[in-house]
Amino acid sequence: AQKITQTQPGMFVQEKEAVTLDCTYDTSDPSYGLFWYKQPSSGEMIFLIYQGSYDQQNATEGRYSLNFQKARKSANLVISASQLGDSAMYFCAMREPLNNAGNMLTFGGGTRLMVKP
Amino acid sequence: KAGVTQTPRYLIKTRGQQVTLSCSPISGHRSVSWYQQTPGQGLQFLFEYFSETQRNKGNFPGRFSGRQFSNSRSEMNVSTLELGDSALYLCASSPWTGGGNTEAFFGQGTRLTVV
Repeated sequence: AQKITQTQPGMFVQEKEAVTLDCTYDTSDPSYGLFWYKQPSSGEMIFLIYQGSYDQQNATEGRYSLNFQKARKSANLVISASQLGDSAMYFCAMREPLNNAGNMLTFGGGTRLMVKP
Repeated sequence: KAGVTQTPRYLIKTRGQQVTLSCSPISGHRSVSWYQQTPGQGLQFLFEYFSETQRNKGNFPGRFSGRQFSNSRSEMNVSTLELGDSALYLCASSPWTGGGNTEAFFGQGTRLTVV
């Protein structure tokens, strides 16, 4: 079974609008971390936001927020006020178990976001 | 502070050859991980090195190997190249002090084409 599932291969959003990118995950370990990365066409993966399984509040980083629903095993990324520079691939990733997995991340298939002017 | 540096950026090799890719992590980072990214398989974990020791290994054949030097720089080697090894190879470095939210910083990758 896929550990990380991103069901939206591609999405369009109008500039200045908000967009939600979906991510569901599968783990039986109670201790895990969820990450979102952005990959522009240059290829480099850029860290956006992190959510730990024991975190009580949803993570926020500037225009990025994470809608974490633990019981549903979903960790959706919300980008507010989209900008043209947000056009890129977005990957959801998981590290589990949290303190024993070293730096090994499992990635979803990604969502290509295209921002329309 | 310099970021993660991967060399070379682009590489073309012939089937059956071997290749070595290099990754210089951010200064002070002791963990280096390697990932393979292809259109068909997506991003897959290859292996991780920490303080010159392989700490984790993904599900790849033995043709894929790596090592880490005392200055934390890492190399990965692929022997007997196959067409399917054509991919973007990404390196990530992390300070990895044991905290779960330790993010991985990625380089721009090496794009390998096998012909």
